[in-house]
Amino acid sequence: SQQGEEDPQALSIQEGENATMNCSYKTSINNLQWYRQNSGRGLVHLILIRSNEREKHSGRLRVTLDTSKKSSSLLITASRAADTASYFCASETSGSRLTFGEGTQLTVNP
Amino acid sequence: DAGVTQSPTHLIKTRGQQVTLRCSPKSGHDTVSWYQQALGQGPQFIFQYYEEEERQRGNFPDRFSGHQFPNYSSELNVNALLLGDSALYLCASSKITGGTTYNEQFFGPGTRLTVL
Repeated sequence: SQQGEEDPQALSIQEGENATMNCSYKTSINNLQWYRQNSGRGLVHLILIRSNEREKHSGRLRVTLDTSKKSSSLLITASRAADTASYFCASETSGSRLTFGEGTQLTVNP
Repeated sequence: DAGVTQSPTHLIKTRGQQVTLRCSPKSGHDTVSWYQQALGQGPQFIFQYYEEEERQRGNFPDRFSGHQFPNYSSELNVNALLLGDSALYLCASSKITGGTTYNEQFFGPGTRLTVL
């Protein structure tokens, strides 16, 4: 069964706007990772945040982690049409096993 | 660096048949994990191989088995295929350091399996 839940399930915004996706998980983790997937193809790794980190940036991406609430958020700033994809959070527990959420489908309209 | 590669890209089988999917990890990686992704859902962990042994296993029946070779490449075998096995099968590679992976897991493009 899926450990994580993602919110919202679908998000539609205009180019240039910011997109925020949220993720919750249920057990203690080593780290939390965010992935992007285009049209049912392979997963592209976006960013990893360790359990002892609270915020991380990579280009237009900003990830936060709140271990007390077992939640994370991904912010994409100044979105582009090319950002249209499904976004998944994945929590890594012991032994490097990833547990994925159901994903957020992001549509960026030009 | 070729990254994680998988073969074949697509596969069509009928119920009851057996299938073998293949994965080559990213250069320098020693651990391979397999995931099943049904349409519209997130990937689900099948199992993980490290040092040629199954290290962890998800909630999948024994019809799903695997193997890791000395060069770290891996195979996923599914016997007695069911319609519900139709999915995208993803392979991910990583490197174990000190018993725990703190690095990103890199995914291959996947194999789309259709069971008729």
